[in-house]
Amino acid sequence: ETGVTQSPTHLIKTRGQQVTLRCSSQSGHNTVSWYQQALGQGPQFIFQYYREEENGRGNFPPRFSGLQFPNYSSELNVNALELDDSALYLCASSSPSSTDTQYFGPGTRLTVL
Amino acid sequence: QKEVEQDPGPLSVPEGAIVSLNCTYSNSAFQYFMWYRQYSRKGPELLMYTYSSGNKEDGRFTAQVDKSSKYISLFIRDSQPSDSATYLCAMKKVAGNQFYFGTGTSLTVIP
Repeated sequence: ETGVTQSPTHLIKTRGQQVTLRCSSQSGHNTVSWYQQALGQGPQFIFQYYREEENGRGNFPPRFSGLQFPNYSSELNVNALELDDSALYLCASSSPSSTDTQYFGPGTRLTVL
Repeated sequence: QKEVEQDPGPLSVPEGAIVSLNCTYSNSAFQYFMWYRQYSRKGPELLMYTYSSGNKEDGRFTAQVDKSSKYISLFIRDSQPSDSATYLCAMKKVAGNQFYFGTGTSLTVIP
């Protein structure tokens, strides 16, 4: 059984650019959540996807958007990058039988210059 | 005021010590409580999950929840250098899908 995987590991972008981050959920997990973790802070909930639909959103602007695919993998897209978007972006998946426990991937570290 | 408060530390203890990590929360809607361990530049790893007041034990780890005081704790017995990491508390309300995290406590166990 493979765990949650994310790509790329690291990414450097400049202000105003757009970025796409990818996540493959753990086998059997149909729910994917995305988090932003700034340095020295806890993860902040961006949104969750369930059955290819957004299923809850945190306090993030619309330039943060996502997709979930039929195989339950997911993408996080961020438009018009700002310096404050520099952070570790984490993907977490959960199974239909245990939605209250989430398993995290290793994250994508995004640096915006 | 943040909904979940956690002392960021850092906390430094000698090997073999008992470690106590704590979080407080303000919203009584939180009913599910988790502790995660996060090594440097890695994703959080689920350590403990509980939804009731009282204690839950798993090996050297004990999670304690006091809903009346809105206070949760994680105890680590016989701490090891490999326990050196950041420990995050997380909570979830009955309604909704959002998990709320503390800022994390940085722990170093000195051999």
